[in-house]
Amino acid sequence: EDQVTQSPEALRLQEGESSSLNCSYTVSGLRGLFWYRQDPGKGPEFLFTLYSAGEEKEKERLKATLTKKESFLHITAPKPEDSATYLCAVQEGADGLTFGKGTHLIIQP
Amino acid sequence: EPEVTQTPSHQVTQMGQEVILRCVPISNHLYFYWYRQILGQKVEFLVSFYNNEISEKSEIFDDQFSVERPDGSNFTLKIRSTKLEDSAMYFCASRQGGTGELFFGEGSRLTVL
Repeated sequence: EDQVTQSPEALRLQEGESSSLNCSYTVSGLRGLFWYRQDPGKGPEFLFTLYSAGEEKEKERLKATLTKKESFLHITAPKPEDSATYLCAVQEGADGLTFGKGTHLIIQP
Repeated sequence: EPEVTQTPSHQVTQMGQEVILRCVPISNHLYFYWYRQILGQKVEFLVSFYNNEISEKSEIFDDQFSVERPDGSNFTLKIRSTKLEDSAMYFCASRQGGTGELFFGEGSRLTVL
């Protein structure tokens, strides 16, 4: 069973059409939940780290929230340049991050 | 803005050959990592390195893999005898502390023929 599940796998939106991406996790001792953006052929670009339920962080059109079982990445009025794969990852007891498969987001002009 | 740099960006090698991938982490960071991403699949943790020793490794990181910090700036991943299934993008990452922001490099694409 995957520890990190992201949905939907793919999402196509019109420019300006707000939506949310979901990341559900099943780890016992969460040390941090991470959101990254990944463009094709590139490394993951750090967006946010959340540490405890109820925490929220914002950056431009993106807002990340965390509950005890899931995290949401809200995208408000997206632009075509927001098109990318968005990755969620969790850090449990030890060092390494466990990643989800990502949500492939396409914003159409 | 400081960044993690990786070389080479792309390496093609024959099965059975040794490969060394190089990384320069962000200068004040103390924790170093290697991850890999097979084409179309998720990013997978390989190994973490702190205080000149491995602190954690995954099942993927078998005896064919090794890491080293040969000097004060470089962090390397060696694959002793490459297999076809080692073809992937390898990402180096670094962070200042044991938790918190983890920054990735742009990756080294390894193609094993």
